[in-house]
Amino acid sequence: AQKVTQAQTEISVVEKEDVTLDCVYETRDTTYYLFWYKQPPSGELVFLIRRNSFDEQNEISGRYSWNFQKSTSSFNFTITASQVVDSAVYFCALSEESGYSTLTFGKGTMLLVSP
Amino acid sequence: ETGVTQSPTHLIKTRGQQVTLRCSSQSGHNTVSWYQQALGQGPQFIFQYYREEENGRGNFPPRFSGLQFPNYSSELNVNALELDDSALYLCASTLKNSKLDYTFGSGTRLTVV
Repeated sequence: AQKVTQAQTEISVVEKEDVTLDCVYETRDTTYYLFWYKQPPSGELVFLIRRNSFDEQNEISGRYSWNFQKSTSSFNFTITASQVVDSAVYFCALSEESGYSTLTFGKGTMLLVSP
Repeated sequence: ETGVTQSPTHLIKTRGQQVTLRCSSQSGHNTVSWYQQALGQGPQFIFQYYREEENGRGNFPPRFSGLQFPNYSSELNVNALELDDSALYLCASTLKNSKLDYTFGSGTRLTVV
């Protein structure tokens, strides 16, 4: 069975600090996809990134970067120079190649960035 | 592209009642999934519909049912509401052949009292 663990329930930082959100996953599939979503107070899930299990290259997009390590089954997300607008709940999710095209989410990490 | 629209945005129901939540999928997306997100939790998969038939189901009882229509709109029906059904219900649409491009709606916040 697939599982996603986000051990950090809530993180508080001051603006301009760097912050890393942790994600650990479990799956028996060799082909799978990992996602990060942002959920602002309005409720919709905003897509941030998707990686497949065969691409372990780290990725950087502006202030966002992701570190995918299959050896530790982790897919961590770093925000550099955080801003107040980054305050939201962030979810890591897993989708296996086999079966339905469904997402298994972690419990989320609430990030609070204060001025 | 028009995105995914859900209605209503908020709803209050009494225990034992029935509720219907609606979702209008993104144009061209033939697969719709519904998720339940309890307070402080991640979304949990309820079921998925493809070409108007249920294509997969999570660990939810039969009183959770759905419909998908030819115009890609869909419904989530919940019978015999329980207090624990209080949650944000999210609809996500995608193309069947693309398991990766999910578009989520803003959800319906259901409160059961």
